[in-house]
Amino acid sequence: AQSVSQHNHHVILSEAASLELGCNYSYGGTVNLFWYVQYPGQHLQLLLKYFSGDPLVKGIKGFEAEFIKSKFSFNLRKPSVQWSDTAEYFCAVEADNTGKLIFGQGTTLQVKP
Amino acid sequence: DVKVTQSSRYLVKRTGEKVFLECVQDMDHENMFWYRQDPGLGLRLIYFSYDVKMKEKGDIPEGYSVSREKKERFSLILESASTNQTSMYLCASTSRGYEQYFGPGTRLTVT
Repeated sequence: AQSVSQHNHHVILSEAASLELGCNYSYGGTVNLFWYVQYPGQHLQLLLKYFSGDPLVKGIKGFEAEFIKSKFSFNLRKPSVQWSDTAEYFCAVEADNTGKLIFGQGTTLQVKP
Repeated sequence: DVKVTQSSRYLVKRTGEKVFLECVQDMDHENMFWYRQDPGLGLRLIYFSYDVKMKEKGDIPEGYSVSREKKERFSLILESASTNQTSMYLCASTSRGYEQYFGPGTRLTVT
C-alpha cells in the first residue's frame, strides 16, 4: 500500500534559521507531490506542488521543495524562517493521477521570535 | 476565488445520534473528498466521489456513509455517532490534474 512518511513531528527553530522538512513516500509509479500548510485556525492551503518537469519547485512565501525520484523523497526547504511560518506542514502524494491524496502525519513547526 | 464551505465549524453530538456534515464547493469540481484529521495521524481519507451519485471508500470508511445528489454538494453521515469519531473533519474538492482545495473543517465532539 502507498504511504507517506514525514520524519520530523515537531520542529522548533529560531527566526532566520534554515528549515528542511523530510518527506518520503512508498510508490514506484507516477506520482504528483504536494506540500500543504495549515496556519493556526486557518484552512489547509497549498504551499507548492510537483507534477512534472524541473524537480526543484518553488512555492509561496519563499518555500521550495526538491523531488528526488531515486530516493522517493520530496523535502521542503526554506533558507530563513519567520515567526509567521509557525504552522503544521503536510506532505501528500497522488498516485497515478487518481485524484486521491495520501498524507503524511504532519510536522508542527514552531518558530521562536 | 475558489471556495469550499462546510456547514458547521463546531458541532457537539451525543453518542448514538445520526450526524450530517455538509460540504459545498462553487468551482464545478468533479471530485470531492472527506477526511478526518487527528493529531499525529495527519489526514485520513474516509470517502470520496468522482461524480454525482458515485462514491468510493477511502482508507477508514467504517461508521460513515456519504451522499452526493448534486455536483456541488457532498455530505458525510455518521449513522450512529461514537466517541471515537470525535475529530476534525475536512472536505476537499478538485478537478483531475489539479490540487485539492479544502474547506475550513468541522470540529465534531461526540459525548
